[in-house]
Amino acid sequence: GNSVTQMEGPVTLSEEAFLTINCTYTATGYPSLFWYVQYPGEGLQLLLKATKADDKGSNKGFEATYRKETTSFHLEKGSVQVSDSAVYFCALSEGGSEKLVFGKGTKLTVNP
Amino acid sequence: DTGVSQDPRHKITKRGQNVTFRCDPISEHNRLYWYRQTLGQGPEFLTYFQNEAQLEKSRLLSDRFSAERPKGSFSTLEIQRTEQGDSAMYLCASSLALLAGGHNEQFFGPGTRLTVL
Repeated sequence: GNSVTQMEGPVTLSEEAFLTINCTYTATGYPSLFWYVQYPGEGLQLLLKATKADDKGSNKGFEATYRKETTSFHLEKGSVQVSDSAVYFCALSEGGSEKLVFGKGTKLTVNP
Repeated sequence: DTGVSQDPRHKITKRGQNVTFRCDPISEHNRLYWYRQTLGQGPEFLTYFQNEAQLEKSRLLSDRFSAERPKGSFSTLEIQRTEQGDSAMYLCASSLALLAGGHNEQFFGPGTRLTVL
């Protein structure tokens, strides 16, 4: 079945550092790809998405490009802030139901 | 619009008891999903509704679990004869599936944390 593998954490960075969280997927067909974020004490929120190959999703300074040739959707940010500290989940949607298949999550801590 | 709400936020129960959770989706969203998240893992799909019809159930959903969405609005998830392995965060999400071919955003509620003693 479809699956998502993402870089295990935790990841600890200093403010203004460059962030990459790797995500690869296995899927039949052409799923949409997502990054969700879970801030401490809050529910899951959509951060960005891409619906077809070579699409770039972007939001709040974060970017990810749908790479079909490498089946990847790595999350990047050029300069992280303390407020970016959260758990980040890579996910794909499959089938007519569009149910989401999530990776295990990567906890990011940004220190001042 | 207040977003997806879930009730209760926390539930502690003893093994063998029945529990019921409620989810109120964003109004007019026609799809509603239930996921389960255990510690250190990503959410796993349990089931989903299109309006009042339950169209798909995961193999994770044993026959002790039942979900309903009687009028196509709120949904309930009941777990009968709870086991310690049922301890998890139960998440609800809703979406407005208008686009053919998918890609419709799911909006998540805060979750119900179940602890089975």
